[in-house]
Amino acid sequence: DIQLTQSPSFLSASVGDRVTITCRASQGISSYLAWYQQKPGKAPKFLIYAASTLQSGVPSRFSGSGSGTEFTLTISSLQPEDFATYYCQHLNSYPLTFGGGTKVEIK
Amino acid sequence: EVQLVESGGGLVQPGGSLRLSCAASGFTFSDHYMDWVRQAPGKGLEWVARSRDKAHRYTTEYATSVKGRFTISRDDSENSLYLQMNNLETEDTAVYYCARGGWRSGSRYYIDYWGQGTLVTVSS
Repeated sequence: DIQLTQSPSFLSASVGDRVTITCRASQGISSYLAWYQQKPGKAPKFLIYAASTLQSGVPSRFSGSGSGTEFTLTISSLQPEDFATYYCQHLNSYPLTFGGGTKVEIK
Repeated sequence: EVQLVESGGGLVQPGGSLRLSCAASGFTFSDHYMDWVRQAPGKGLEWVARSRDKAHRYTTEYATSVKGRFTISRDDSENSLYLQMNNLETEDTAVYYCARGGWRSGSRYYIDYWGQGTLVTVSS
């Protein structure tokens, strides 16, 4: 199975900060990567697919990059509604797997 | 509006069985891949299983941790997805989400909609 390792697992940031989350794959997964946002008690929300393409309706302050084994999710200017946990997921091959998550909290 | 509503969760003893259901509406169910994803209390997301659509002959895929114990199935006439869970273990305790693998990019089908989940507790 392909393992996805997210870092950091937790980060504390302020409104307006630039935030970067990393997702590393245990083997190459081309650009078959998605990012999701989850708030407490809620279902995840689809943010980015194919590593860098923003899903419709997602604010442009979110961006994704990377290919192969290293990927990043960047929030250019953190907003109050962005405090949540973020997960990456690969779709390179089965079984699909998620990263362990990165919780973004208010400093 | 896409809606996915799970049911069938509850308390079950280790070694027992449970069948989850997901009622889908707001889209053409038979045209879409469907998934189950779970989340143990306080933990991260874990993909469980996928059912491909009619065009791909309803073939299925499973996570290593559930292969041989869980079976995903669907009834397109009822717009419903199911997860039959057998030989349950305490580690299967989680909220189980029904999800639509509806966003196609190239040859990949990304999960784009999720239900609100149903809690399965495996405990004696």
